[in-house]
Amino acid sequence: QVQLQESGPGLVQPSQTLSLTCTVSGGSITSGSYYWSWIRQPAGKGLEWIGRIYASGSTSYNPSLKSRVTISMDRSQNQFSLSLTSVTAADMATYYCARVKGVVRGVISSDLAFDIWGHGTRVTVSS
Amino acid sequence: EVVLTQSPGTLSLSPGERATLSCRASQIVTSSFLAWYQQKPGQAPRLLIYGATRRAAGVPDRFSGSGSGADFTLTISRLEPEDFAVYYCQHYSSSPGFTFGPGTKVDIK
Repeated sequence: QVQLQESGPGLVQPSQTLSLTCTVSGGSITSGSYYWSWIRQPAGKGLEWIGRIYASGSTSYNPSLKSRVTISMDRSQNQFSLSLTSVTAADMATYYCARVKGVVRGVISSDLAFDIWGHGTRVTVSS
Repeated sequence: EVVLTQSPGTLSLSPGERATLSCRASQIVTSSFLAWYQQKPGQAPRLLIYGATRRAAGVPDRFSGSGSGADFTLTISRLEPEDFAVYYCQHYSSSPGFTFGPGTKVDIK
């Protein structure tokens, strides 16, 4: 079955760039039937969608983070990555990668949902 | 922008009781883009319901979703000990993309 695993530094200095990678196993990120997404959750708070990428490399971001976010993919490694620049304490959170179902040849179809999630990785912002 | 409101914030119930969780959108939304998730402490969220009414694979049939327009409900017919958790509704729209409600915590009375 498909599994997702986040990896990356657990500590980032303020004003620096947060970089995380999600490795997908048991399935290909080049499948035309899914988007691949990042979501975060500050401790004790709710969920916030960050952005998503499709097999073609097309991306979409949360407008509230768009100026600081880049999501990319490495098809050879079956991975996709998150880059968040100029981090502050407000960016401290557990970061999840997730698969989005309900996509047909890159176009949103119906029954859209995050059906598979990674376990999450906690990121602290501190000097 | 669609804003999701969930009520109640906390629901205190006993095992065996029925739980009714509400998710209200700030405007009429597409039902096929409405989903529900369960999250337990220290774990990633788990998809329960998609398309407002469809159970995800492996989800027990005591979980059911209903609703349309701007009002949606997640019902747990008889609470099992493992059902005490936080539940989030989520919607997709072209802008701003995916949004989540603030969550409802179901705890043991």
